[in-house]
Amino acid sequence: QSALTQPASVSGSPGQSITISCTGTSSDLENYNLVSWYQQYPGKAPKIMIYEVTQRASGVSNRFSGSKSGNTASLTISGLQAEDEAVYYCCSYAGSSTLMFGGGTKLTVL
Amino acid sequence: QLQLQESGPGLVKPSETLSLTCTVSGGSISSSGYYWGWVRQPPGEGLEWIGSISYSGSTYYSPSVKSRVTISVDTSKNQFSLKVISVTAADTAVYYCARLPLARRVDYWGQGALVTVSS
Repeated sequence: QSALTQPASVSGSPGQSITISCTGTSSDLENYNLVSWYQQYPGKAPKIMIYEVTQRASGVSNRFSGSKSGNTASLTISGLQAEDEAVYYCCSYAGSSTLMFGGGTKLTVL
Repeated sequence: QLQLQESGPGLVKPSETLSLTCTVSGGSISSSGYYWGWVRQPPGEGLEWIGSISYSGSTYYSPSVKSRVTISVDTSKNQFSLKVISVTAADTAVYYCARLPLARRVDYWGQGALVTVSS
């Protein structure tokens, strides 16, 4: 099993939109519509943002949205704000009650 | 509001056993549909799912640690535990306990416990 593939870093200016990709395989991401996304600030526990590809977790801003096509899932953040600067992880169900995380993407708000 | 709290030694010697307990409050660990698991994060690195235990007591482990890991549950104390045997420096990480609805995602996380493997 290998981690899902994410870009190491992305950046954007306040007000812009950014998209973080997450690439998996037919064993995990491609085979299940069970992709979740997590936001993590330094020294803090991750927080769920998106689940089941497109569903926003409770209390999450509608500036966050998710999608999936084939073996690639995406997290889009629109109207970028300074508080969005964090590390984002994708995660996919991989069958047999197992999970697979991506390597994480550091978002920098310029 | 559901809360999870990890507890256990912060320093473990190489070749010994790492043991952590997660205490769940604000909800029952026996609730059907929920799995309870562990995710770790080495310093400066990403998240790694280690394993989970279902509400019926079935366990599931990552292939990368399967031979060394045991997850168990104590419903009388509303706790679940992690044991990792034969630890090395590579097991140094922040260990998070977590709730997983139907094993499909993590919706609640503990605050994390740093465990350092060093002599």
